Amino acid sequence: NAGVTQTPKFQVLKTGQSMTLQCAQDMNHNSMYWYRQDPGMGLRLIYYSASEGTTDKGEVPNGYNVSRLNKREFSLRLESAAPSQTSVYFCASRRTYNYEQYFGPGTRLTVT
Amino acid sequence: KNEVEQSPQNLTAQEGEFITINCSYSVGISALHWLQQHPGGGIVSLFMLSSGKKKHGRLIATINIQEKHSSLHITASHPRDSAVYICAVLLKAAGNKLTFGGGTRVLVKP
Repeated sequence: NAGVTQTPKFQVLKTGQSMTLQCAQDMNHNSMYWYRQDPGMGLRLIYYSASEGTTDKGEVPNGYNVSRLNKREFSLRLESAAPSQTSVYFCASRRTYNYEQYFGPGTRLTVT
Repeated sequence: KNEVEQSPQNLTAQEGEFITINCSYSVGISALHWLQQHPGGGIVSLFMLSSGKKKHGRLIATINIQEKHSSLHITASHPRDSAVYICAVLLKAAGNKLTFGGGTRVLVKP
């Protein structure tokens, strides 16, 4: 099992550019999450998907969109990147029966 | 006020020392998660617990639901234990979403 995988690992964007962060899990988990981690702020939830075909906003959804393409894949899109979106992005998936979350390796995004 | 508070924020220990990290929360929870993050690294799940105590190797996690408090202990600490340790709770009022503490940065010196 690869667990939770994310691509890319690093990305630099100019303000106004768009990009999609990809996330996939091979553990047959129903729920998937996107977080951002900023110095001094801890982890904050951007969007989550409780099951295939559903998505919901988290704490900081503005400027982002998500797609739960199938049970394995959950992507995060920045339509028009802003410097405030410079952060490390983590995808996670969750076991159904005990709530334990498994995290991907992260994507370090810089917007200039 | 944060719903999840960790203490201390930073901790330095000598190799071999016993380390304790504390996590307090203010509302009812379904479960509590301890996570580890090495510098520049990913986030690893250490424990998920809703009562009592769990042990894995040199790590021990305890939770007291009545006192709304959890501790993570590292016995015989080693420099490879240097990392940020994050407490996260599954709030009963927040469905299946985690709320995170700010983390405790641990440095173990040889």
